[in-house]
Amino acid sequence: NAGVMQNPRHLVRRRGQEARLRCSPMKGHSHVYWYRQLPEEGLKFMVYLQKENIIDESGMPKERFSAEFPKEGPSILRIQQVVRGDSAAYFCASSPLVGQGTEAFFGQGTRLTVV
Amino acid sequence: GQQLNQSPQSMFIQEGEDVSMNCTSSSIFNTWLWYKQDPGEGPVLLIALYKAGELTSNGRLTAQFGITRKDSFLNISASIPSDVGIYFCAGPNSNSGYALNFGKGTSLLVTP
Repeated sequence: NAGVMQNPRHLVRRRGQEARLRCSPMKGHSHVYWYRQLPEEGLKFMVYLQKENIIDESGMPKERFSAEFPKEGPSILRIQQVVRGDSAAYFCASSPLVGQGTEAFFGQGTRLTVV
Repeated sequence: GQQLNQSPQSMFIQEGEDVSMNCTSSSIFNTWLWYKQDPGEGPVLLIALYKAGELTSNGRLTAQFGITRKDSFLNISASIPSDVGIYFCAGPNSNSGYALNFGKGTSLLVTP
């Protein structure tokens, strides 16, 4: 049973470009959570999604950031017009049951570098 | 707020030594989680604590849920080089049980 799969593992973007981060949850998991980790910091919650629904995006910046989890395919975290401050590791986690973020499994992350 | 404060920030020890680190908060948590993050990887859950006073072990790791529900500690006995990494405590956000609040981590280095 494969774990949470994130790709790409590393992503370099120039300022102003778009970044698309993908997350495939564990088999049987329909709840996805995105977190951001700045250097020397812990993880910060961004958004919680179920299939085709955004449940809580309270941790996501209001502008340039969006997330989706379509009926088919992976969850996508999209950052438009990236800036240097967006450089961070972005982690996705998934859980099988509603709201069980404490039982979630994390992926290996996507390390975004904005140059 | 629900900030989690971890100490020490970093530790540098010799193989075979025991390690203790802790996590405190000004807010009450109903669950305490301890994660380990290896370089370049995602966090992996080590131990979950659900009850005040609970003491739980996982191999050489032992964690306790403080009686006040505002703290927790993690002990590692007889450390080995593969214990190197960053250890995070975490607890569910009081506004949403699914979002986790993380501490800033304790970085552990073990020399052979």
